[in-house]
Amino acid sequence: DTEVTQTPKHLVMGMTNKKSLKCEQHMGHRAMYWYKQKAKKPPELMFVYSYEKLSINESVPSRFSPECPNSSLLNLHLHALQPEDSALYLCASSQETGTVSLSGNTIYFGEGSWLTVV
Amino acid sequence: GESVGLHLPTLSVQEGDNSIINCAYSNSASDYFIWYKQESGKGPQFIIDIRSNMDKRQGQRVTVLLNKTVKHLSLQIAATQPGDSAVYFCAENGSGGGKLIFGQGTELSVKP
Repeated sequence: DTEVTQTPKHLVMGMTNKKSLKCEQHMGHRAMYWYKQKAKKPPELMFVYSYEKLSINESVPSRFSPECPNSSLLNLHLHALQPEDSALYLCASSQETGTVSLSGNTIYFGEGSWLTVV
Repeated sequence: GESVGLHLPTLSVQEGDNSIINCAYSNSASDYFIWYKQESGKGPQFIIDIRSNMDKRQGQRVTVLLNKTVKHLSLQIAATQPGDSAVYFCAENGSGGGKLIFGQGTELSVKP
């Protein structure tokens, strides 16, 4: 079972709504990620946080706003989304973002939050 | 077992047979590769990883092979079971910084 917990599992929101997706991990990982996955497609990176600071933004539209309140939590604030933003949003974590090794710097994913924008 | 060509989106095998899922990667600088299994409605689940200084790594019922010369990665599943039915993604660490680049995925179906 994954140790990355995401809430809510399902979210339906209107285009004028403001909502948030939440992610939590208690593995002591200092890197956390948001990925977006459309049906039948691979996950696509959105944001990377390293030691609670945003280190990578893959040119994501500003209607998606990430936040890392502490080393265990990662939020994704949603505002004025479009129907094409409907997707599975995956949170992931790893020990750090640096050079990975076989000793455990693997990136682990949560079960995702299914978002539908209507 | 069946051997599939590169980028084949689906693979169907008989229960008990061995499965081989292939993946081509693009970045010669990638030094770390991961295989994930994603069941319907769930997030990607880590299966096995390998560093570029290795050619082969074995786990429980799974083996990953890496051929750096042709930038090719494969996942072998021994004695495939119905519970192995899922989409399998390879991923490479590309330019680093925690950025994983995923392959397009292969959907494995296991026939009883």
